Amino acid sequence: NAGVTQTPKFRVLKTGQSMTLLCAQDMNHEYMYWYRQDPGMGLRLIHYSVGEGTTAKGEVPDGYNVSRLKKQNFLLGLESAAPSQTSVYFCASSPDTYNEQFFGPGTRLTVL
Amino acid sequence: AQSVTQLDSQVPVFEEAPVELRCNYSSSVSVYLFWYVQYPNQGLQLLLKYLSGSTLVKGINGFEAEFNKSQTSFHLRKPSVHISDTAEYFCAVTQWGAQKLVFGQGTRLTINP
Repeated sequence: NAGVTQTPKFRVLKTGQSMTLLCAQDMNHEYMYWYRQDPGMGLRLIHYSVGEGTTAKGEVPDGYNVSRLKKQNFLLGLESAAPSQTSVYFCASSPDTYNEQFFGPGTRLTVL
Repeated sequence: AQSVTQLDSQVPVFEEAPVELRCNYSSSVSVYLFWYVQYPNQGLQLLLKYLSGSTLVKGINGFEAEFNKSQTSFHLRKPSVHISDTAEYFCAVTQWGAQKLVFGQGTRLTINP
């Protein structure tokens, strides 16, 4: 039982490049979330999904897109990376809003 | 709209001393409250949660929190801290019908020997 895994763990991009972060969970959870963590700002929700094929915007969605084609996977895309997107990205999953969110280990992204 | 305020960004304490990390929330309806801990270079993990029932909630690693509806607070306490409690602590809130949690800015707990 791996829980929530994230790929890659580290990445350095140049401004304007694109990339996709992959989140996978093996707990059959309906809900999945993408957060970014920046010093002094806590966790801010980027996008989330309440089931396969659904996505919704969170607090800071600009510059990101997501897809949930399979229940166990939630992809976060950056089409044209900017230095402001330098951050640590966390994926989480939960059975519903009222239960524990299980977090992945994070992806540290640097945009030069 | 719901929001969470963690009143202290950093809390330094000595080992074996008690600690309280403060959390206030705002919401016009019934809330569900959580405390998460993040150890260095790791993801978050759940310490405890309040959904209903007893207002005193016990969690892992000797932590507990008290839900105070009149004060709209959910403060986290531990009677005696260890070096291993050094971490960042996040309070979070959701409400009935919501699809997501709202997190506070975090409190960095530093334990001095």
